[in-house]
Amino acid sequence: ELKVEQNPLFLSMQEGKNYTIYCNYSTTSDRLYWYRQDPGKSLESLFVLLSNGAVKQEGRLMASLDTKARLSTLHITAAVHDLSATYFCAVDAGTYKYIFGTGTRLKVLA
Amino acid sequence: DVKVTQSSRYLVKRTGEKVFLECVQDMDHENMFWYRQDPGLGLRLIYFSYDVKMKEKGDIPEGYSVSREKKERFSLILESASTNQTSMYLCASSLLDRKGHEQYFGPGTRLTVT
Repeated sequence: ELKVEQNPLFLSMQEGKNYTIYCNYSTTSDRLYWYRQDPGKSLESLFVLLSNGAVKQEGRLMASLDTKARLSTLHITAAVHDLSATYFCAVDAGTYKYIFGTGTRLKVLA
Repeated sequence: DVKVTQSSRYLVKRTGEKVFLECVQDMDHENMFWYRQDPGLGLRLIYFSYDVKMKEKGDIPEGYSVSREKKERFSLILESASTNQTSMYLCASSLLDRKGHEQYFGPGTRLTVT
């Protein structure tokens, strides 16, 4: 059974600091997706990672995928308050399905 | 842009009522999904459909059924609503393309069963 684990589950950080969210998964997959969710809202797509070594960047967020290690990271550079949200990774399990991570609730303090 | 819409943002129903949640996508996507999201449990897949009139159970199908009569529309049905079905329900659609199976989500329906 494919399992996806994110850590940390909760992250409180100061503005201007850097941090990394980790997404580990338990079986082979070369497709991984990152989403952002604001409170009470739906999921917004951030990054699509489709191969080993894929790296995508948007603003202060950068995502990478290491399929051999079964690990994806979401790196936050110089955090700002607007990045406060819950971040989910999702692994393509084949047969059209995703398996979602538990989510990381990020709070950036001014 | 892909647009996924859901029929209601907020819904309050009584125990035992039959509840219909509707989802429509406008990008001719083959695959559609229903999830529920609960605090501490993340997103859990209820049902998905990979073609018209085709459906597959997800991880928590008990107490739910679905209908997909047209490609753009995927309905979730609670035959007899119970309080433990109070949740946020999210619909999504996807297409296998150069982005893999990127899923696009609707705005969600927050269902309360009293």
